[in-house]
Amino acid sequence: QLVVTQSPSASASLGASVKLTCTLSSGHSNYAIAWHQQQPEKGPRYLMKVNSDGSHKKGDGITDRFSGSSSGAERYLTISSLQSEDEADYYCQTWGTGIHVFGGGTKLTVL
Amino acid sequence: QVQLVESGGGVVQPGRSLRLSCAASGFTFSNYGMHWVRQAPGKGLEWVAVTWYDGGNKYYADSVKGRFTISRDNSKNTLYLQMNSLRGEDTAVYYCARAPSKVDSGGVDHWGQGTLVTVSS
Repeated sequence: QLVVTQSPSASASLGASVKLTCTLSSGHSNYAIAWHQQQPEKGPRYLMKVNSDGSHKKGDGITDRFSGSSSGAERYLTISSLQSEDEADYYCQTWGTGIHVFGGGTKLTVL
Repeated sequence: QVQLVESGGGVVQPGRSLRLSCAASGFTFSNYGMHWVRQAPGKGLEWVAVTWYDGGNKYYADSVKGRFTISRDNSKNTLYLQMNSLRGEDTAVYYCARAPSKVDSGGVDHWGQGTLVTVSS
């Protein structure tokens, strides 16, 4: 069964970096994923697609402070030079033909 | 720029029907797959349905299969979601979203602002 798993919460200090993790279920370690950001009281925004080889393609206007990477069944979103507006929920998404799944989201708190 | 504007949300009684619309602009609508994704109050994102660029293939989440129908009118640049036999657990903000390809691969690369559906007696 295709599933992606995220930690419910993360925190980091203003100006620091943070790495969020999305883990693909067994047998799906070669799948690509997408990262989405949802700031409080707003709709989601597409950040980037991350492939199994670590390559990533960002959405329009996404700052260089956001980057993606991969290792095995894990896909990462790294945010550097954290700013207050980065405090948000971050969702990963994966897909197969006819099936699409979202992770439960990680709530990022900027201290 | 890509714009997706949902409409049609509101309060509806359990068992009744509602149709959502999503008006697309800023891109060639007929070249892209389109999704509906929902978010219950205080919860995470849940994928609902997807249609290929030509409406030829459609897929649904198990939670809505047999009750919801996704469709599109490429001449009007509009995506629809017909929701029948609505239940309380269908209460959510419904987002229209674009796939980055003609089919349903690649996830979602643009989102609408959402429309709220409340199922309550």
